[in-house]
Amino acid sequence: DTGVSQDPRHKITKRGQNVTFRCDPISEHNRLYWYRQTLGQGPEFLTYFQNEAQLEKSRLLSDRFSAERPKGSFSTLEIQRTEQGDSAMYLCASSLGHGFSESGNTIYFGEGSWLTVV
Amino acid sequence: AQKITQTQPGMFVQEKEAVTLDCTYDTSDQSYGLFWYKQPSSGEMIFLIYQGSYDEQNATEGRYSLNFQKARKSANLVISASQLGDSAMYFCAMRAIVNAGGTSYGKLTFGQGTILTVHP
Repeated sequence: DTGVSQDPRHKITKRGQNVTFRCDPISEHNRLYWYRQTLGQGPEFLTYFQNEAQLEKSRLLSDRFSAERPKGSFSTLEIQRTEQGDSAMYLCASSLGHGFSESGNTIYFGEGSWLTVV
Repeated sequence: AQKITQTQPGMFVQEKEAVTLDCTYDTSDQSYGLFWYKQPSSGEMIFLIYQGSYDEQNATEGRYSLNFQKARKSANLVISASQLGDSAMYFCAMRAIVNAGGTSYGKLTFGQGTILTVHP
C-alpha cells in the first residue's frame, strides 16, 4: 500500500495522559498537513509542513499540541495533558506541491486516527 | 476568508439513479481550486474530483462530474448511476492560496458534509 498511513487508528486514553500519532505520507511528497475532524463536522486545518519545516499552525493548535517532521518524511502529532475536548479524528494528508498547486491537483488523506479521551 | 456551504445534511437516492450534491463557496480570491472527497464509515477521505477556478470545462471522473458555475459560486457534485457503495459522507472543499514562511501553498477549507444513502 503506497497511500498515506496513520498509526494508531484508534486510541482511548484517560484525561491528562499524553498521546502521539504518527503519519507516513506518500513517498516523495514534500507537503504534509494535519487536520482535525469532530463528529458531524468537516475537517479543520491544524498545521502544515513543507519538507521538515513547519510553516503554519492554526489557532486550534494550542500549546498542548506539538507536531514534528524531523527528516521531511514521517510526521508525529503529540497531544499533552489530553482533555475530553480533544476527542476527535486526526487526519494526515500529503501532496507533491510547488507554489500554489499540487501535482495532479490531488491531496491524499490517510484513514485518520480516532482519539477518545475518557 | 474562505467559506464552503453544503446545505444538504442528508440525501437519499435509488440505486442506478443520478444524484446532485450541492456546494456553494465564498472567496475573494481569483485563483482557487475546488475538491470533492468521499468519506466512508472507515474514516478515510477519498479524493473524487477537482475543478480549477480557471478551468472552462466542467471536470469529470468516471461517474462523477462537477457542475461548476463560477458566477453563482457553486460547485455541485453529480453522481450518475448510483451504487450501494456510494453510501458515505461527501465533503466539498476549497483550496486557497496561503502565504507562509516565505512561500505559498494551498490550504483546504471543508464544508459540513452531506450524508448520501443509496437505497437498493
